[in-house]
Amino acid sequence: DAGVIQSPRHEVTEMGQEVTLRCKPISGHNSLFWYRQTMMRGLELLIYFNNNVPIDDSGMPEDRFSAKMPNASFSTLKIQPSEPRDSAVYFCASRPPGVRTGNTIYFGEGSWLTVV
Amino acid sequence: KQEVTQIPAALSVPEGENLVLNCSFTDSAIYNLQWFRQDPGKGLTSLLLIQSSQREQTSGRLNASLDKSSGRSTLYIAASQPGDSATYLCAVVEAAGNKLTFGGGTRVLVKP
Repeated sequence: DAGVIQSPRHEVTEMGQEVTLRCKPISGHNSLFWYRQTMMRGLELLIYFNNNVPIDDSGMPEDRFSAKMPNASFSTLKIQPSEPRDSAVYFCASRPPGVRTGNTIYFGEGSWLTVV
Repeated sequence: KQEVTQIPAALSVPEGENLVLNCSFTDSAIYNLQWFRQDPGKGLTSLLLIQSSQREQTSGRLNASLDKSSGRSTLYIAASQPGDSATYLCAVVEAAGNKLTFGGGTRVLVKP
């Protein structure tokens, strides 16, 4: 099992540019989560999907952020236009189906974004 | 709104000492609580998951307890080793939804 795969691992971009982060969840998992981690705010849930459908996007900071999950094996998080305050580590995580109380969530290695 | 707090934010102990990490949450209506480990530059690795009906879970040198009514969990790491140096985070799954809410983490340094 390859685990949750995220790309790119590191990205440095200029303010105003579009950023697209990608995630491939573990095969067979039906829940997918996007988290953002900063020193100041810790880990924040941005959005999560269940069976490819967005369930809760209340953590998406503003309209510059959007996320899609066109199929069970791929999701994107897009920031357009990017700003320096978006600099953070963005984690994707997935969880298998079944009794939700008993299932562990698996994290990817993260995408380290720096907006200059 | 659920809030998860971990105190202290950082901890340094000599090798061999037992570690005690604390986690508190404001809303006791949870489904489960998980403890994670995060190494620098890496993602999170799940260590232990405690169901809301359980009082504790054990895995090797790790033991996690849960007191749901008081909103507290404690992670014990016995006979600490330098390899235990990492940031430890707790997270709760709320009964009202499917998402995890994380604490700020405790950064642990075990000195040889």
